[in-house]
Amino acid sequence: DAGVIQSPRHEVTEMGQEVTLRCKPISGHNSLFWYRQTMMRGLELLIYFNNNVPIDDSGMPEDRFSAKMPNASFSTLKIQPSEPRDSAVYFCASSSYRAANQPQHFGDGTRLSIL
Amino acid sequence: LAKTTQPISMDSYEGQEVNITCSHNNIATNDYITWYQQFPSQGPRFIIQGYKTKVTNEVASLFIPADRKSSTLSLPRVSLSDTAVYYCLVGDYGGLTFGKGTHLIIQP
Repeated sequence: DAGVIQSPRHEVTEMGQEVTLRCKPISGHNSLFWYRQTMMRGLELLIYFNNNVPIDDSGMPEDRFSAKMPNASFSTLKIQPSEPRDSAVYFCASSSYRAANQPQHFGDGTRLSIL
Repeated sequence: LAKTTQPISMDSYEGQEVNITCSHNNIATNDYITWYQQFPSQGPRFIIQGYKTKVTNEVASLFIPADRKSSTLSLPRVSLSDTAVYYCLVGDYGGLTFGKGTHLIIQP
């Protein structure tokens, strides 16, 4: 079975540009999570969805960040406008239930560089 | 969510058993303890999870004392490929709060 699929794997763009990161969760999973990883702050939860509905977006750093999940098989994380401090690796994860006792399966991430 | 404390780094040698201990003094009744492993340029990967006592799977064991205020991940007979960052997490639902993790380095 395919795991969590993220695209693109790498993105380099100039500050001020809009960036869209994409995620396809594992089929049948009904919870989806977006994380950001940097050397300084480690892995941070940005937002998570349950049954396509955003449950907790308290980790979204600013209004420049937005996330959507239009259906069970697709989610996007958008940054507009992007800034150099947004440079990080962004991970998407999915699980079969929103409880932490159901393991989360992570994608390989999108490495984002904002120049 | 309960805060966790674990060593920043550990060294060991191939063939040894490695034990990584995590403290979680404020663990709640409904919280599970979960360990993830992360290699460079990859997302974290689930290793093992437990609620109390001992759990064992094909790659690791997890020991949880009766008070559940700490837990120990045990990796038997490590190899060079076990060099990675190991995260201990505590929670019952929702997104996970990752700490800095333990950077485990295995030497030949």
